Amino acid sequence: AQRVTQPEKLLSVFKGAPVELKCNYSYSGSPELFWYVQYSRQRLQLLLRHISRESIKGFTADLNKGETSFHLKKPFAQEEDSAMYYCALISYDKVIFGPGTSLSVIP
Amino acid sequence: DGGITQSPKYLFRKEGQNVTLSCEQNLNHDAMYWYRQDPGQGLRLIYYSQIVNDFQKGDIAEGYSVSREKKESFPLTVTSAQKNPTAFYLCASSRGTRTYGYTFGSGTRLTVV
Repeated sequence: AQRVTQPEKLLSVFKGAPVELKCNYSYSGSPELFWYVQYSRQRLQLLLRHISRESIKGFTADLNKGETSFHLKKPFAQEEDSAMYYCALISYDKVIFGPGTSLSVIP
Repeated sequence: DGGITQSPKYLFRKEGQNVTLSCEQNLNHDAMYWYRQDPGQGLRLIYYSQIVNDFQKGDIAEGYSVSREKKESFPLTVTSAQKNPTAFYLCASSRGTRTYGYTFGSGTRLTVV
């Protein structure tokens, strides 16, 4: 069964510290993965797609097929990074979301 | 100004009543989706539609119904059969090629009392 797991419900880091939000998936085919972010009082929005291999707002995510992971990383956390982060996987004609991780960056 | 609009933002209904949530988009997207967002459970797919006059059940369709009579509109009805309807509902759309990702609405918070 296709599934996305995010083991941490809450993650707190100090400003300037590195941050890693974990995402693991199970999928039988070649996966397409995303990270979405929801800032306080804003709508959910796409952060990055693995096929773009892009860096958005200093965040990167590398697909590791061996470990079936797509962890989101940033070397130096900023206060404005505090938000809810969702990892998502395309499964046939729909997208499956993980349960989300709430990131809190402590000033 | 293109986007996806959900209305109303907050909705209160008495138990046993059906209620319809609106979702409109002017992005010319083919596909539209309804998700339910609950704390600790992420987003769960209720219904989705790839083209007009066609839609499919998601993972938690029981107690919900939808229609897709126009490309721009995908209303969701929460029926009295839905056992736990109080939640935050999100509508999304995409070009149809999923790799571009979704555009989300701002959501409707439904409270059933």
